[in-house]
Amino acid sequence: DSGVTQTPKHLITATGQRVTLRCSPRSGDLSVYWYQQSLDQGLQFLIQYYNGEERAKGNILERFSAQQFPDLHSELNLSSLELGDSALYFCASSVTGDSGNEQFFGPGTRLTVL
Amino acid sequence: AQSVTQLGSHVSVSEGALVLLRCNYSSSVPPYLFWYVQYPNQGLQLLLKYTTGATLVKGINGFEAEFKKSETSFHLTKPSAHMSDAAEYFCAVRSSGTYKYIFGTGTRLKVLA
Repeated sequence: DSGVTQTPKHLITATGQRVTLRCSPRSGDLSVYWYQQSLDQGLQFLIQYYNGEERAKGNILERFSAQQFPDLHSELNLSSLELGDSALYFCASSVTGDSGNEQFFGPGTRLTVL
Repeated sequence: AQSVTQLGSHVSVSEGALVLLRCNYSSSVPPYLFWYVQYPNQGLQLLLKYTTGATLVKGINGFEAEFKKSETSFHLTKPSAHMSDAAEYFCAVRSSGTYKYIFGTGTRLKVLA
C-alpha cells in the first residue's frame, strides 16, 4: 500500500459526459501527478501540482483539467468524453516536486467510456 | 528534450536465469533515472533510482541498474529470476531542473518455470 488513495476504482460512462477523479496523496506529500495509461499510448504524464499550484504540464488535453486543493487532495476533471479516453488514470505523489524525488503511485481509476 | 527507449516490449526468461531489461535515455542535462514495476491491476512501485553519486544502484527484490553516461543507458538486471518477478517494468527519466517525468513504453517480463 503506497498511501495514495484514488476514487473511484472503476467508472463507466457514456461519450459526451463529464467525470471527476479524486486523489489523496500520502500524508506529508506536497506534490501530486496525474498519468493516463492506455494500451496504445503507454503511460503518459498529464500534469503536476505542487502545494496547490500547477508546476508542469504534459500531454493533457484541453477537455481535461485538474486542481489541487488546500488540503492537498487533487481532482482530475475529464469532460466531453470520447471512446479514446478509456484508460487507467493514475495519481502519484511525492514529498516535494524536485526532480530526484520518488513518486508513490495510487492503485488507479479505470475509466470506461461507452 | 527528454526521451526514454525500452528495447523489447516482451522479455521471457527461465526461472533462475539472468534478467536484463534495457533502457536508453536522451537528456540534454544530467538525468535522474528510475525503474518502476507494475503488477497486474496495481499501480507502479519504485524499484530503484539514480540521482547522483554511485553509478551502480541497488534496489528492492534483488534488482540493480547501472548508469552509463557514455552509453546513455540504465539497464535493469537481476542475477536470478523468480516467478514473482513476472510484471511490467517501466524506465523513467526526469532531467534536473525540469518537472516532467518521461516513462518508457514498458517491458513485460515473463518468467518460465
